[in-house]
Amino acid sequence: DGGITQSPKYLFRKEGQNVTLSCEQNLNHDAMYWYRQDPGQGLRLIYYSQIVNDFQKGDIAEGYSVSREKKESFPLTVTSAQKNPTAFYLCASSTQGSHEQYFGPGTRLTVT
Amino acid sequence: QQPVQSPQAVILREGEDAVINCSSSKALYSVHWYRQKHGEAPVFLMILLKGGEQKGHEKISASFNEKKQQSSLYLTASQLSYSGTYFCGTWRIDRGSTLGRLYFGRGTQLTVWP
Repeated sequence: DGGITQSPKYLFRKEGQNVTLSCEQNLNHDAMYWYRQDPGQGLRLIYYSQIVNDFQKGDIAEGYSVSREKKESFPLTVTSAQKNPTAFYLCASSTQGSHEQYFGPGTRLTVT
Repeated sequence: QQPVQSPQAVILREGEDAVINCSSSKALYSVHWYRQKHGEAPVFLMILLKGGEQKGHEKISASFNEKKQQSSLYLTASQLSYSGTYFCGTWRIDRGSTLGRLYFGRGTQLTVWP
């Protein structure tokens, strides 16, 4: 079955630690996106990528980093520089033509 | 850049109708609608392109008024399964970028009671 997987579903970390969230898709989509969701805030774009080895900052990139070494994979690292990292993180992908975005199940990160 | 959705919340009885609006201060290329159930990922409902095209999904339809830079989502004869948060997204390619991206509204929370 084609789709997007994110792991883990829940993640707990201590403040000051970097943490990497996984996102893999087997839909053969070119574009991939990372969003952060907080209550009442909607979806805010962190980073996005349309091709391998290229990505752009979204609206709230500070404290985050990404890589796109393979078409299927777009991991997000939440660094210790991110001041308020506790949130629900969603990965999405889309084809170039339709722009319809398919979302993964999300990772809920809690930093204490 | 973020589109504005209204209302913020809607409470309905099963079988009633609702309209959710999405407006943008920027010219629109396309509008996307998604529904998210609590704790789950957003699910794509439909996309509307320039030209006022109206699309439908089950008993949910939407319109796109390019001149007014707004879109409306119509939910008719609502069912319990329609409960969730509805997001509109407007597609844009920002100046200086070669990549398009969606700007999402803050969402409209729809609750349908039996």
